[in-house]
Amino acid sequence: DVVLTQTPVSLLISLGGQASISCRSSQSLVHSNGNTYLHWYLQKPGQSPQLLIYQVSNRFSGIPDRFSGSGSGTDFTLKISRVEPEDLGVYYCLQRTHNPPTFGSGTKLEIK
Amino acid sequence: EVQLVETGGGLVQPGNSLKLSCATSGFTFSTAWMNWIRQTPGKRLEWLAQIEDKSNNYFISYLESVKGRFTISRDDSKSSVYLQMNNLKEEDTAIYYCTYDNYWGQGVMVTVSS
Repeated sequence: DVVLTQTPVSLLISLGGQASISCRSSQSLVHSNGNTYLHWYLQKPGQSPQLLIYQVSNRFSGIPDRFSGSGSGTDFTLKISRVEPEDLGVYYCLQRTHNPPTFGSGTKLEIK
Repeated sequence: EVQLVETGGGLVQPGNSLKLSCATSGFTFSTAWMNWIRQTPGKRLEWLAQIEDKSNNYFISYLESVKGRFTISRDDSKSSVYLQMNNLKEEDTAIYYCTYDNYWGQGVMVTVSS
């Protein structure tokens, strides 16, 4: 199975600051159809995970442009600029290129 | 509005069975590919199973570690998907989520303990 390694495990960011989360895959996430099925989710306290970014860099409906995704192959990054209080929670990457789908272990974002 | 509501969780002894249900609304269920995902007490997320739609002959795939113990099924007439879990183990303790595309239910807790 594909292993997704997320770093750091936790982040303590000041309001208005910037956060960067890395997700590295044990193998390339480029599908045979040319697409890369690497997505980012945020799980807010007490809630189910919600989609932020799909296919590396596409913001889901309603997600502010403070969130951006980048990367290719095996290395991917989620950046959150101008951090706001509602951004706190655990961020997960998910790959659906290979079966079975697998998740990263999560990065907890806390606000100073 | 897409809604996914899981039911059927609870406390069960090791070796016993449990069947989870997920009632859905707000989208065309008959053409939807449905999934079950769980979150362990340590917050690890684990995909469990997927069932495709009729046009794909209801093709099913499982996480290898639950194959043979868990069974996913669907009833298009009720817009519902199910997860039958047999021979439960303590490590199956988790919140179980039903998902469709980018939508997740609120989850249902399953605790396996003697």
